[in-house]
Amino acid sequence: DGGITQSPKYLFRKEGQNVTLSCEQNLNHDAMYWYRQDPGQGLRLIYYSQIVNDFQKGDIAEGYSVSREKKESFPLTVTSAQKNPTAFYLCASSIFLNTEAFFGQGTRLTVV
Amino acid sequence: AQTVTQSQPEMSVQEAETVTLSCTYDTSESDYYLFWYKQPPSRQMILVIRQEAYKQQNATENRFSVNFQKAAKSFSLKISDSQLGDAAMYFCAYMEYGNKLVFGAGTILRVKS
Repeated sequence: DGGITQSPKYLFRKEGQNVTLSCEQNLNHDAMYWYRQDPGQGLRLIYYSQIVNDFQKGDIAEGYSVSREKKESFPLTVTSAQKNPTAFYLCASSIFLNTEAFFGQGTRLTVV
Repeated sequence: AQTVTQSQPEMSVQEAETVTLSCTYDTSESDYYLFWYKQPPSRQMILVIRQEAYKQQNATENRFSVNFQKAAKSFSLKISDSQLGDAAMYFCAYMEYGNKLVFGAGTILRVKS
């Protein structure tokens, strides 16, 4: 089945540690996105990538980093510089020049 | 920067009745796309309906329809014959051709039986 897979579903980390969230898609989509969702709030864009080896900062990129070495994969690293990393993270993808975005099931990150 | 505003943090509707969720956006572009996404308690984002700005006809998907007013930059979602399964957070979203997808803050929809 085609889709977007985020792993793990729940992630716990100690404060000060970097952590990487996985996002893989087999839809052959060019564009991929990372969003952060805080309780009762909308989705805020962290980073997005339209092609391999290229990505752009979204509205809240500080404290995060990404890579796009393969079309299928767009991992997000939450660094120790992110002051409030506990949140729900959603990955999405879309066909380049088309716009319907498909979402993964999300990763709930808790930093203690 | 493009912005999307949903002015209703929370709405309630009686089962089988109709409810309208509001959305306005700000852009200087003429070609773009608009979406409504549903996020149930599972937190899986589900596309409800999409509208291309160049199309004058309002999009419809079964019980879901939109009222797209391009000049007013308004994009409301109407849910007819509301069902208990419609209860969720609804997000309005905007995308320019080939560009990033920007979301509003969301509206919680409660359906009363």
